[in-house]
Parts: sequence; C-alpha cells; structure tokens
Amino acid sequence: DIQMTQSPSSLSASVGDRLTITCRASQSIARYLNWYQQKPGKAPNLLIYGASSLQSGVPSRFSGGGSGTDFTLTISGLQPEDFATYYCQQTYSNRRTFGQGTKVEIK
Amino acid sequence: QVQLLQSGAEVKKPGASVKVSCNVSGYILTELSIHWVRQAPGKGLEWMGGFDPEDGETIYAQKFQGRVTITEDTSTDTGHMELTSLSSEDTAVYYCVLDRHLVPFNWFDPWGQGTLVIVSS
Repeated sequence: DIQMTQSPSSLSASVGDRLTITCRASQSIARYLNWYQQKPGKAPNLLIYGASSLQSGVPSRFSGGGSGTDFTLTISGLQPEDFATYYCQQTYSNRRTFGQGTKVEIK
Repeated sequence: QVQLLQSGAEVKKPGASVKVSCNVSGYILTELSIHWVRQAPGKGLEWMGGFDPEDGETIYAQKFQGRVTITEDTSTDTGHMELTSLSSEDTAVYYCVLDRHLVPFNWFDPWGQGTLVIVSS
C-alpha cells in the first residue's frame, strides 16, 4: 500500500497566522491527493481534492499544492474554527490510504 | 442531497463479530461506491476497504484481509461492514463514506455519522 506521511504531527498557531502542512507519498501519486479537516467528535470534512481543487463551500483561505510525492495544505489567515486535525489521503491507488494527521492547536 | 445514516453503537466481547450498516439516501447505490474507515480513540483515520466499480470488486486493506467483509444491498441502498475475531484493538468509531469522482479524481464525501464499536470482556 502507498504510505502517506504528514509533517508536522502537531503544531501551535495563533489566529491570523499562515501555516503550511506537508504530506509526502511513498511513491508518485500525480495529483491524486485530498485533504480533510476533522473536529473532535465529528466525521471528517473534505477540503481539497485533486491536490488543489477547493471543495464547494470551503473558504478560500484554504489552498493546496504539489504533485508527484510532495504536497502542501496552506491556511492563510487562521480562524478560530480552523483549529482541528487535518488528514491527507491518496486516491492514486484504489487502496485509499491516509496520512497520520496533523493537529493544529491554539498557541 | 446525499446522506449516510449508520446503525447504532455496539458493545462486543473479544472473539465476537460485529456488523455495521450504512443506509444511503438521496442517491441510487448502484451508482455509488461505499468505503469504510475506522478511527481508534485518539488515533488517525484508517482505511479498511470498499467497492471498486472499475474492477467490480471489493478491495480490503491488507491489515484486515480475511477478517472484514464489505457488502452492498442495492435493493435497500444499504452497505454493510462485518468484522470478525474482535479484540480490544478493534475498539473504534467506524465510518462509512461515499467514494465520489469527477474524472480523473476521487474523494470521500459525504461521511456517515460514525458507529462506535467497543470490544470489552
């Protein structure tokens, strides 16, 4: 199975900050990369698909980039509701593996 | 609007099996693919398996191969996930989710509300 590795595992940030989370695949996955946000006690919510396409209804402060093996999720202007855990997922393979998650906490 | 409604929480003893259901409303199941993802307490998302419409087969994560069975009942638009030989390590929230696509990409959306399975003696 394709292994997905996120970094960092957790980070502390303040409202208004710009932050970037990275995701690395164990092999090239072109742009078959999605990002999800999960809040405690809730199911995950799709943010970005195809590495950089914003899901309908998701604020434009979220953006994604990358291709091949290295990808990023950037939040420009962190809002209080953005404190959550973020996961990347590859869909290059029909075995749709996730990264281990990045928890964004309030500084 | 497509919605997924899962069956309720379960408490099982070690060695038992559990079957979780997921009813799809607002769409026709024959046109969709249900996958299953679990999340142990305080841990990340773990993909378990799902239906691959391109191959016409259900695929499973190697970790669960032989212990999990994923099925779909198109007459009731309901998916099922059965996990056998349960141990305490299977205590988790189990999610069903639709594998959507817009050529050439796929993504998981929407998700069910989750079903808590507790394995305890």
